[in-house]
Amino acid sequence: GENVEQHPSTLSVQEGDSAVIKCTYSDSASNYFPWYKQELGKRPQLIIDIRSNVGEKKDQRIAVTLNKTAKHFSLHITETQPEDSAVYFCAASGGGFKTIFGAGTRLFVKA
Amino acid sequence: KAGVTQTPRYLIKTRGQQVTLSCSPISGHRSVSWYQQTPGQGLQFLFEYFSETQRNKGNFPGRFSGRQFSNSRSEMNVSTLELGDSALYLCASSTDPRRETQYFGPGTRLLVL
Repeated sequence: GENVEQHPSTLSVQEGDSAVIKCTYSDSASNYFPWYKQELGKRPQLIIDIRSNVGEKKDQRIAVTLNKTAKHFSLHITETQPEDSAVYFCAASGGGFKTIFGAGTRLFVKA
Repeated sequence: KAGVTQTPRYLIKTRGQQVTLSCSPISGHRSVSWYQQTPGQGLQFLFEYFSETQRNKGNFPGRFSGRQFSNSRSEMNVSTLELGDSALYLCASSTDPRRETQYFGPGTRLLVL
């Protein structure tokens, strides 16, 4: 069945460093790839998304890249800040009204 | 616009009971998806509804069911509750989950004793 693998499961960085989270999907029909941030005790919220006709998208300190051939997409956060500490989920959808999420990455940003 | 709302926010049930959770989407959103979130499993897709029709479902037993009403509000039901059903149940609404953002509700935290 459809699957999204996400790595690493935990990531610890120093404030000001960059953080990279990688995801691989299996359903070749997927064409929409959102990233969600979930702070402790709160609901997931979209931080950035990318569609299959685009290879890269950037929004201030956050960027996402997509390699459709390799079925691989990544989240890049630059100049990390303590408030970036949260769980990040990648997801893939478009293959049939089903959105498949990765298992999540817990990011710790140390001040 | 008002965000996605879910009721109740917390529930405590015992094994064997059944439970019904409710989700009201953002006005104008006709798609509602349900997810089960547990600490080790992330967000697991339960099902998606659009215009009162279930368009897809995840790999959950038949004890998990749902429906959507003409005003796009959705309910999910879990019968014969098991301890392993303890989780946070999130719903999300969208205009089209295949290509647009899903907006999540606050979730219903279910504890089965």
